[in-house]
Amino acid sequence: DVKVTQSSRYLVKRTGEKVFLECVQDMDHENMFWYRQDPGLGLRLIYFSYDVKMKEKGDIPEGYSVSREKKERFSLILESASTNQTSMYLCASRLALGGEQYFGPGTRLTVT
Amino acid sequence: ELKVEQNPLFLSMQEGKNYTIYCNYSTTSDRLYWYRQDPGKSLESLFVLLSNGAVKQEGRLMASLDTKARLSTLHITAAVHDLSATYFCAVDSETSGSRLTFGEGTQLTVNP
Repeated sequence: DVKVTQSSRYLVKRTGEKVFLECVQDMDHENMFWYRQDPGLGLRLIYFSYDVKMKEKGDIPEGYSVSREKKERFSLILESASTNQTSMYLCASRLALGGEQYFGPGTRLTVT
Repeated sequence: ELKVEQNPLFLSMQEGKNYTIYCNYSTTSDRLYWYRQDPGKSLESLFVLLSNGAVKQEGRLMASLDTKARLSTLHITAAVHDLSATYFCAVDSETSGSRLTFGEGTQLTVNP
């Protein structure tokens, strides 16, 4: 059974903290994605990766970085968390163009 | 730039009624995906449509794809309360690489 897991379902951090969100997939997928979802704004792509150590900026990369050292793991890093980064963060993976995309359960991050 | 538009964005309907959600997209593609999202949860794959004329059905939901019209429909038959959720369509495009382009989502409420 296909699985994408995220390290935390809920996370509360303080302004200025460095935050790591981890995503792991067990499907040997090439492509992994980080989205954020806010009410009324739909899904917005932050970063994606099409191979180990490769990354591409999405639509809203400012304030975020990513790391992909192993194929199965894709990390989203908030270098200095701010209150406007309070959001639901969704990780996803897919094998290739034309393949189905699978989502993790999401991490609801609150920055106070 | 690929644009994906859903119509309507909000839909309130009574149990037992039929309705259709529309998904229009702006560039050539023959791969379209439908997802469901329950409040506070992640996205769950509903249908994968991979060719012109493709039709898929699951319970009270039926999805179809017309690549010539650049249109997909998600038809709801005899709605029940359990179908209340937000529905997203997403499109592949050769120019977008491995990333999907999502519509804004249609928030469906089925009233008893």
